[in-house]
Amino acid sequence: AQSVTQLDSQVPVFEEAPVELRCNYSSSVSVYLFWYVQYPNQGLQLLLKYLSGSTLVKGINGFEAEFNKSQTSFHLRKPSVHISDTAEYFCAVSESFGDKLIFGTGTRLQVFP
Amino acid sequence: SQTIHQWPATLVQPVGSPLSLECTVEGTSNPNLYWYRQAAGRGLQLLFYSVGIGQISSEVPQNLSASRPQDRQFILSSKKLLLSDSGFYLCAWSVQGLAGPNTGELFFGEGSRLTVL
Repeated sequence: AQSVTQLDSQVPVFEEAPVELRCNYSSSVSVYLFWYVQYPNQGLQLLLKYLSGSTLVKGINGFEAEFNKSQTSFHLRKPSVHISDTAEYFCAVSESFGDKLIFGTGTRLQVFP
Repeated sequence: SQTIHQWPATLVQPVGSPLSLECTVEGTSNPNLYWYRQAAGRGLQLLFYSVGIGQISSEVPQNLSASRPQDRQFILSSKKLLLSDSGFYLCAWSVQGLAGPNTGELFFGEGSRLTVL
């Protein structure tokens, strides 16, 4: 069965510093991978997704992620964060295109001035 | 364009009372529909998903049920709420099938915060 592990529940970082949010998945088949962002008391918004092709995926708000099949990882990165990036970030996996997503437990990114 | 509406936005209910959360999608037909629950510190848990009217799959045993009386309407219910039912409930939809505009993405509503006292 598929599962997602987000190793860090909270990541504090200063403004303009780089950040990496880690995500590892477990699946016996090919997967589709997603990162979503959730601002306080709101629904989730898609940041980026990996479906096929280039393993380096660029998303909105300057975020990018790299799919590493050998390490079963899909870490999210941003070279310079802003205060407005403070939010909860969720990694998700799906084994079937357009099917249900299984989410990780989330990582709270806190950006300090 | 497609939109998803979820209500009520907030709800405070006593233990043992019933629950009904409603979700509707506009601008698309025959979507996959989902109910997720977000409890503090526990991430997003898939509760139910539906691929068509009257077709409901339950992911975890619990005190809740779901129904899909119309193509774009998804309802989450409980006959008697428990304290452990408190949380942030999110409805979502996705495009079915492999062709057309399907990007594999889920589109989420704004959520319903339920507090059971």
